[in-house]
Amino acid sequence: GENVEQHPSTLSVQEGDSAVIKCTYSDSASNYFPWYKQELGKGPQLIIDIRSNVGEKKDQRIAVTLNKTAKHFSLHITETQPEDSAVYFCAAMSSDRGSTLGRLYFGRGTQLTVWP
Amino acid sequence: DSGVTQTPKHLITATGQRVTLRCSPRSGDLSVYWYQQSLDQGLQFLIQYYNGEERAKGNILERFSAQQFPDLHSELNLSSLELGDSALYFCASSVEGGGSTDAQYFGPGTRLTVL
Repeated sequence: GENVEQHPSTLSVQEGDSAVIKCTYSDSASNYFPWYKQELGKGPQLIIDIRSNVGEKKDQRIAVTLNKTAKHFSLHITETQPEDSAVYFCAAMSSDRGSTLGRLYFGRGTQLTVWP
Repeated sequence: DSGVTQTPKHLITATGQRVTLRCSPRSGDLSVYWYQQSLDQGLQFLIQYYNGEERAKGNILERFSAQQFPDLHSELNLSSLELGDSALYFCASSVEGGGSTDAQYFGPGTRLTVL
């Protein structure tokens, strides 16, 4: 099955700085890569996703890049704010019925802390 | 708010007992997924139902079972509970699922504590 690795496990930045979280995956059939933000006591919230037919996607202060050849994708948060503090998870999914049947495989998460 | 609802929010029970977790998907979503989140295993896929039928199975123990009803809500049944079953259980839903890459939206979760 798919194996998703995520780095770093913790990340501390000053308010206004940028934060970058990186993930690698193993299954070349994976073609969908969402990012989730999980605040304490809440469920994972989808913040951005990217499909394998594009290399980059932006949504205001958040962007995701994908390198299919190298099998890695990254989350970029610019102009960080204290409310960005949370655990961020990357995930990978394949729509290939012969492999992972559309299930999400998650990284272990990154605890992001933004200091005022 | 994702539109996915889960009940109860917290559940405390004893070893050997059986519990039922309930999930209502977003309006219009046909697929329901169950995930377990624990400190040692992270977020793990358990099982998926699509329009009432089991679509995919992950790392789900034989003591656990699930079903999706005609109104599309789903229940996860956990029996013969062990201390190690203590975890957060999340339900997610998507429009379709399996063969497509629809976004999955998660509910707020049920925190299960087995004493």
